[in-house]
Amino acid sequence: EVQLLESGGGLVQPGGSLRLSCAASGFTFSNHAMGWVRQAPGKGLEWVSSISGEGDLTYYADSVKGRFIVSRDNSKHTQYLQMSSLRAEDTAIYYCTKAMTRINGWWDYWGQGTPVTVSS
Amino acid sequence: IVLTQSPATLSLSPGERATLSCRASQSLDNYLAWYQQKPGQAPRLLIYDASNRATGIPARFSGSGSGTDFTLTISSLEPEDFAVYYCHQRTNWPQYSFGQGTKLEIK
Repeated sequence: EVQLLESGGGLVQPGGSLRLSCAASGFTFSNHAMGWVRQAPGKGLEWVSSISGEGDLTYYADSVKGRFIVSRDNSKHTQYLQMSSLRAEDTAIYYCTKAMTRINGWWDYWGQGTPVTVSS
Repeated sequence: IVLTQSPATLSLSPGERATLSCRASQSLDNYLAWYQQKPGQAPRLLIYDASNRATGIPARFSGSGSGTDFTLTISSLEPEDFAVYYCHQRTNWPQYSFGQGTKLEIK
């Protein structure tokens, strides 16, 4: 059974940093691209970042480029999102997603999400 | 690429047929998916590549369309189908985008 378990969310002040983790199980981790999608309170879905199965290709939404860094440790079956220079508009639930393929593909599994609140 | 979903809210009764629309600002070929999200839960993949049902999705869910106009149809609504539905494109990979959602509510 595929499981994605996010952690690391919480309350942070504007300008601060936070690192999210996503522990994966139930599939061959390195064979699948992974991603992060967020949802602000009461709003729709917004793609944040993606990383290829080997971790050599990374992509970011314009809204987070230069502030967020996605990475993965295939030996630990874990994906990370290092967030810095956080803003109030980054407040959201952050979902970890698994893609169907190694480079790109539809997200067939999602974690339950971890909340991030940026506020003073 | 902008995805526009309609209607914003759809009020129907169990047993009725639901038709949800997603229109793209440019051609997607068939690179469109549909997700269902219930309150407090993560989205769930229903349909990918416009018309393929994801694993475990009941046959009452179907997707159609290509180019710029797509439809999600639920043939006979079950109580558990009332939720928010999002369309999603990956034609403009890696700049993915989602529609704003259609809320399917019980009439």
